[in-house]
Amino acid sequence: IAGITQAPTSQILAAGRRMTLRCTQDMRHNAMYWYRQDLGLGLRLIHYSNTAGTTGKGEVPDGYSVSRANTDDFPLTLASAVPSQTSVYFCASSASGGVNQPQHFGDGTRLSIL
Amino acid sequence: QKEVEQNSGPLSVPEGAIASLNCTYSDRGSQSFFWYRQYSGKSPELIMFIYSNGDKEDGRFTAQLNKASQYVSLLIRDSQPSDSATYLCAVTVEYGNKLVFGAGTILRVKS
Repeated sequence: IAGITQAPTSQILAAGRRMTLRCTQDMRHNAMYWYRQDLGLGLRLIHYSNTAGTTGKGEVPDGYSVSRANTDDFPLTLASAVPSQTSVYFCASSASGGVNQPQHFGDGTRLSIL
Repeated sequence: QKEVEQNSGPLSVPEGAIASLNCTYSDRGSQSFFWYRQYSGKSPELIMFIYSNGDKEDGRFTAQLNKASQYVSLLIRDSQPSDSATYLCAVTVEYGNKLVFGAGTILRVKS
């Protein structure tokens, strides 16, 4: 079934540890995105990539990094996790990064930083 | 001021009624508008999108856009208990590349 796969589904992590959230899509979409969702704040864009080899910063990029080595994969890395990064993380993709392109979401990763 | 604003709700409607969900946005240059439905503990699911002023209908759902008033709404006709969810309004900003989400409106349909 075509779609977006995120891993892990959930994770509890000690503060200061490094963590990479994985995202893979098989729809050959050019654009991919990472969001975090916090109660009362909605979805906020962390980083995005309009095409393989390029990335850009979203609304809340600090403490996070991404890479886009190929079309299918868009991992999100927390270099040194802090409790404020406790959140639900969603990966999304769209056919392109242009106007009028709906984004489709993975099932999310629930991350708790202790 | 938030870029995309929604009433958090909860909005409660009886089964069979019309549910009206509203969203305002601040960027006059926004060109694309999306409605997502999110069940508790699940990921957002695209319901509808609209680009032009006026109404767009898809089954029981109608999206309405008024760019002059910077207002977009979602009407759900014949509401069902299965429609109970959080509805997220999303608007493109910065040349259509980025999507900004409202915090969502909780809808409860009572049978």
